[in-house]
Amino acid sequence: SAVISQKPSRDICQRGTSLTIQCQVDSQVTMMFWYRQQPGQSLTLIATANQGSEATYESGFVIDKFPISRPNLTFSTLTVSNMSPEDSSIYLCSVRTGGTDTQYFGPGTRLTVL
Amino acid sequence: EDQVTQSPEALRLQEGESSSLNCSYTVSGLRGLFWYRQDPGKGPEFLFTLYSAGEEKEKERLKATLTKKESFLHITAPKPEDSATYLCAVHNAGNMLTFGGGTRLMVKP
Repeated sequence: SAVISQKPSRDICQRGTSLTIQCQVDSQVTMMFWYRQQPGQSLTLIATANQGSEATYESGFVIDKFPISRPNLTFSTLTVSNMSPEDSSIYLCSVRTGGTDTQYFGPGTRLTVL
Repeated sequence: EDQVTQSPEALRLQEGESSSLNCSYTVSGLRGLFWYRQDPGKGPEFLFTLYSAGEEKEKERLKATLTKKESFLHITAPKPEDSATYLCAVHNAGNMLTFGGGTRLMVKP
């Protein structure tokens, strides 16, 4: 298994500002992901964070809005840029471990944009 | 395109009243089907992975089963602490994970 921590756990931000979310894993993992979960909805993949290269974004998500860093095999950041109230969601970091391909999730960052 | 449909969307049970949650799926090359539990405001907690039809896994009051088209999460004699949203997801041959909409379970004492 993998133990994942995220910072901050929650934040309230003003429209037009940016927030960077940190994700730390207790072991080295190859595959790291960022998801968004809007209120009452299921999980939507934002991007796959690749170590040493640019992140791979899903349809509807762009690097200018959600820049991602992955400096090593245990850490990643997701920035939500130029925020609007529509960005209010829970943002989740996730990792996939080798062997069983099991995917684990962090506790999430609850973001409210006013 | 992979699709995952969970039913019912919401389920209310009395404590001790057993029931099942359904996850129907279509997938291009199933590598695994995952069940997660999610409490309000928290990240999904991994429960089970099922890899092939006929496979079953158990954990306390929960038992997950898999066929070629669907998976069931059976809850035996549930307790109020089992109240949560249960998510199903399929992992395909292209290494992508697709989630269903979830089932919100409420168990009343």
